[in-house]
Formats: sequence, C-alpha cells, structure tokens
Amino acid sequence: KQEVTQIPAALSVPEGENLVLNCSFTDSAIYNLQWFRQDPGKGLTSLLLIQSSQREQTSGRLNASLDKSSGRSTLYIAASQPGDSATYLCAVRVASGTYKYIFGTGTRLKVLA
Amino acid sequence: DAGITQSPRHKVTETGTPVTLRCHQTENHRYMYWYRQDPGHGLRLIHYSYGVKDTDKGEVSDGYSVSRSKTEDFLLTLESATSSQTSVYFCAISEGTGYGGYTFGSGTRLTVV
Repeated sequence: KQEVTQIPAALSVPEGENLVLNCSFTDSAIYNLQWFRQDPGKGLTSLLLIQSSQREQTSGRLNASLDKSSGRSTLYIAASQPGDSATYLCAVRVASGTYKYIFGTGTRLKVLA
Repeated sequence: DAGITQSPRHKVTETGTPVTLRCHQTENHRYMYWYRQDPGHGLRLIHYSYGVKDTDKGEVSDGYSVSRSKTEDFLLTLESATSSQTSVYFCAISEGTGYGGYTFGSGTRLTVV
C-alpha cells in the first residue's frame, strides 16, 4: 500500500532563505508526483507536476526533483517570501487504473518578514 | 479554478439528514474524485468516477454514495449525516490518462450538528 510522508510537519524560516521541503513514498510504481499549495481555508493549487521519467521540474522560484528509485521528492523554494507561507502537499499518482493520487499530510511553512 | 466548481461552499446540517454536494466541471475530463480533508489525516479518497455511470469506492466510502449521470456533474450524497462526517470536501478532476495532474475545486465545508 502506497504511503506518502512529509517531514517536517511545520517549518519557520526568515524571509530570503532558500529552503527544501521533503516528500517520501513507499512504492516506486507511480505515474507522476504533484506538489500543491494550500492557503488556510482554501483549496489546493497545483505548483508542479513531475512525471516518473523526469528528474526535475522548475517554475519560477520553485524546483521539484524526483528520485523514483529511492522514493523521494524535494521541493526547493528560492529566496522565500512571506507570501510563500502556506501548507505544501505532495501527492503521488498510483500506477493503476484508478489514476488516483495518494497525499502526504503536508508541511506548514511560515516565512517571517 | 474556473473549470471546476463545488456547491454549496458552506453547509450546516443536522444529524440524520441527507446531504448532497455537487461538483461541476467544464473541462470534459473523464475522471472525477471526491476527497475529504481532516486534521491529522490529510486528504482521503471517498469515491471516484471514470466515466458517466462508472463509479467506484475509495478508502473512506462508508456512509457516502455518488452519482454521475453527465460528464460534467459528480454528486456526493451523505445518506444520513453524522458528526464524524463534519469535514472539508474537495472535488478533483483529471483527464483520461495517468500523465495529467489533478485540478481541485474550492471545497465545501460541511458541519453536522
């Protein structure tokens, strides 16, 4: 059974710092991995989608890497800003007919001004 | 996201009453999913649909039923609401292969009193 873990559960950093959020999963049979951002009381916004054949994806200050064989992904945020404060969730898409995603419980990030 | 809407956004209902939540999409995507999000549990799959009239259970389906009579609409019904079903409910859509990602609706906050 696929399990997704995100550590740490919460993180506080000063503005301007580069940071890394971690995601690990137990079964390497995945289609892809998606990183989401969730602001308090809001829905989930997709940040990056990385296919199982890819090593990384970049969008602006965000870079996601994927090491499928070791069951790990990282989300790198460069030059963090207070507006980056949110909960970040990773999800892996199982390689079966349901095409469903299994979610981690998230890392709650606070960037201090 | 403009391509997917959930209604209602908020609802308070009494224990024992039936409740129906609606997810509407304009993307003509084949796959639709209902998740619930609870503190400490993250997002858990309730039911999903892979086409009109084609649905299946997720990991927390007890007490819930779904229907999909049109591509654009996926309904989640709580047959007889209980306090344990107080949660935030999210609908997600995905195109028909394993390589796309999820797009989420804004969520429905349901309180059962």
